[in-house]
Amino acid sequence: AQKITQTQPGMFVQEKEAVTLDCTYDTSDPSYGLFWYKQPSSGEMIFLIYQGSYDQQNATEGRYSLNFQKARKSANLVISASQLGDSAMYFCAMRVPPYTGTASKLTFGTGTRLQVTL
Amino acid sequence: GAVVSQHPSWVICKSGTSVKIECRSLDFQATTMFWYRQFPKQSLMLMATSNEGSKATYEQGVEKDKFLINHASLTLSTLTVTSAHPEDSSFYICSASNQEKQETQYFGPGTRLLVL
Repeated sequence: AQKITQTQPGMFVQEKEAVTLDCTYDTSDPSYGLFWYKQPSSGEMIFLIYQGSYDQQNATEGRYSLNFQKARKSANLVISASQLGDSAMYFCAMRVPPYTGTASKLTFGTGTRLQVTL
Repeated sequence: GAVVSQHPSWVICKSGTSVKIECRSLDFQATTMFWYRQFPKQSLMLMATSNEGSKATYEQGVEKDKFLINHASLTLSTLTVTSAHPEDSSFYICSASNQEKQETQYFGPGTRLLVL
C-alpha cells in the first residue's frame, strides 16, 4: 500500500529565509509520481511541483524545488526566499496506480502548516 | 490554463435535504474528475473517481447512494449529497485531469457544506 508521511505539523520561517518541508513515502511500485500542493486559508489546492520517479534531476519551479532522494524515499519541498504569502498548509501527495489510460488517484500526507514571520 | 471551478462555494442546508455541487473544467476537457472530502485541520480524503460517460468508482467506506456522482460531459461533474445530515458537513473539493497531462490534478476552490 502507498503511504505519505509528513512529520512536521507546523513550521515557522522568517521572511526571506529558506525552509524545507519534509515528506517521506512508501510504495513498492517502481513507477510513481510525487506532488506538492499549497492550501491557503481560502481552501483552494494550488499545485506547486511534480517529481516523477524516473526523473534524473530534482524538479524546480521558481522558488520551489524538490529534494528527491529516491533511496531514502524522501521528497522534501524547499522554498527559497520565503514570503508572507507563503503562509499556508502544504501537502505532499503521491500518485497511485493504475496509471495507464485514466488519470491516477492521489494519496495525501497530513500536511504541514507553514507560518512566515517578519 | 487548467482552471477548475466549483459551485456553490459554500452552502447551508437543513438536515434531510439534498445538495448538489458542480465541478467544471473551464479551459480544458477533463476525462477524469476526482471528489475529495476534507474535515477541519485534516488531509484530503478521496471519495470517488469520476470518468466521463461512465459510473463513478467509489473508495472503500463511501456510500454511493449517499454521494451521487454524475460526469455527463468532459467539462462537468456533479456531486449530490442526498438526505444530508450534520455529519456530512465538510469541505468538498473536486479536481480534474486532462488527457495530455494525466499525472497532474488541478483542483477547484472547494465547497463548504454546513448541514443544520
